[in-house]
Amino acid sequence: QVQLQESGPGLVKSSETLSLTCSVSGGSINFFYWSWIRQSPGKGLEWIGFISYSGVTNYSPSLRSRATMSLHTSKKQFSLKLTSVTAADTAMYYCTRGGSGHDSFDFWGQGSLVTVSS
Amino acid sequence: QSVLTQPPSASGIPGQRVTISCSGSSANIGSNTVNWYQQLPGTAPKLLIYGDSQRPSGVPDRFSGSKSGTSASLAISGLQSGDEADYYCAAWDDNLDGHWVFGGGTKLAVL
Repeated sequence: QVQLQESGPGLVKSSETLSLTCSVSGGSINFFYWSWIRQSPGKGLEWIGFISYSGVTNYSPSLRSRATMSLHTSKKQFSLKLTSVTAADTAMYYCTRGGSGHDSFDFWGQGSLVTVSS
Repeated sequence: QSVLTQPPSASGIPGQRVTISCSGSSANIGSNTVNWYQQLPGTAPKLLIYGDSQRPSGVPDRFSGSKSGTSASLAISGLQSGDEADYYCAAWDDNLDGHWVFGGGTKLAVL
């Protein structure tokens, strides 16, 4: 069974960069797409972006200028950096498997709560 | 404002059948498949339906999905108290170089 686990600071200062890593176990990181999805407190789901097994990325239009995803195949990890954060970026961040336009998000991490402080 | 439109709430009594709608456009639901996710309180979302109407292994056949044109629906039959959760639809949107869009979510109450 594929398992995903997010890790990273739970508190980030406003205007700084949010950095999260997702560790994949129980399956290959190759041949799949990997996405980040976030959920602000009490709100719905928002897709941030995906990275493919070959390193191709695609980001939400609203976050494209601030988001960067990377793949670390040998470590079976992928990561997210979000620059210039504000309070609006406070959310639970989930890493998931999937993201190409033809599939689904079939495995999810438990989530990592990131709070942006002023 | 979400790109896909869902009713904010739905309710039913145990044993009843309920449906949740998801409305989109030709750029998303009209040209790509729809997935549904169930989020139980305090947990991460879980894939419930993919490819408009397919159930992943382990999902009971009480859950079913359908699509017509630019709208999709999730039906839950034989409603149980454990079905009380938030339900989200999602689809790929072909606009702006392509991106995923979600519905705003529907909170299902089992009365």
